[in-house]
Amino acid sequence: AQSVAQPEDQVNVAEGNPLTVKCTYSVSGNPYLFWYVQYPNRGLQFLLKYITGDNLVKGSYGFEAEFNKSQTSFHLKKPSALVSDSALYFCAVRAGQTGANNLFFGTGTRLTVIP
Amino acid sequence: GAGVSQSPRYKVAKRGQDVALRCDPISGHVSLFWYQQALGQGPEFLTYFQNEAQLDKSGLPSDRFFAERPEGSVSTLKIQRTQQEDSAVYLCASSSTGTLQETQYFGPGTRLLVL
Repeated sequence: AQSVAQPEDQVNVAEGNPLTVKCTYSVSGNPYLFWYVQYPNRGLQFLLKYITGDNLVKGSYGFEAEFNKSQTSFHLKKPSALVSDSALYFCAVRAGQTGANNLFFGTGTRLTVIP
Repeated sequence: GAGVSQSPRYKVAKRGQDVALRCDPISGHVSLFWYQQALGQGPEFLTYFQNEAQLDKSGLPSDRFFAERPEGSVSTLKIQRTQQEDSAVYLCASSSTGTLQETQYFGPGTRLLVL
């Protein structure tokens, strides 16, 4: 079975400070991991993904994520938060090679960047 | 280029009514997915098409839910005899060829409210 956990429902960070949104996963075999962002009344926007290779993945809008196989984590990070980063963030996983084609999502983390 | 579009954006239905939700995927995308997002939750998989073939419908919650993609492009999700528990945002996503590494691109969703 595949699953994703986002342990924090809410993350608050001051503008200009680094931010981290946590994600851990459970999957059989190698994982394919994704981060999406959702703004109010809009669909999910793709930020970045890990398929294979370097553990540090760089994505859109200055976001990056680090894949840690031993800790089964894929935390989203940004060195300096902007107020416009305030949104709902979803981590998703798919089992590589033999998994179902659909994504399994976490319950989301609401990020608030305080001016 | 144009992204995934969905219509209507909002739908209010009386309990027992039938509804039809439309998805226009990115032009040329072979794979199409439907997800259901309940309030405060992450998206949950409903069904998956490869061209016109419905390859996975394991996530459809009941036989009241039916999806089709007859010509391999536009898809319709139909819910018969709507119930209050069907109230959710219905998201459509598409990907180019459907391989597991590919990114799924999401539409803005249809927010369904069943009274």
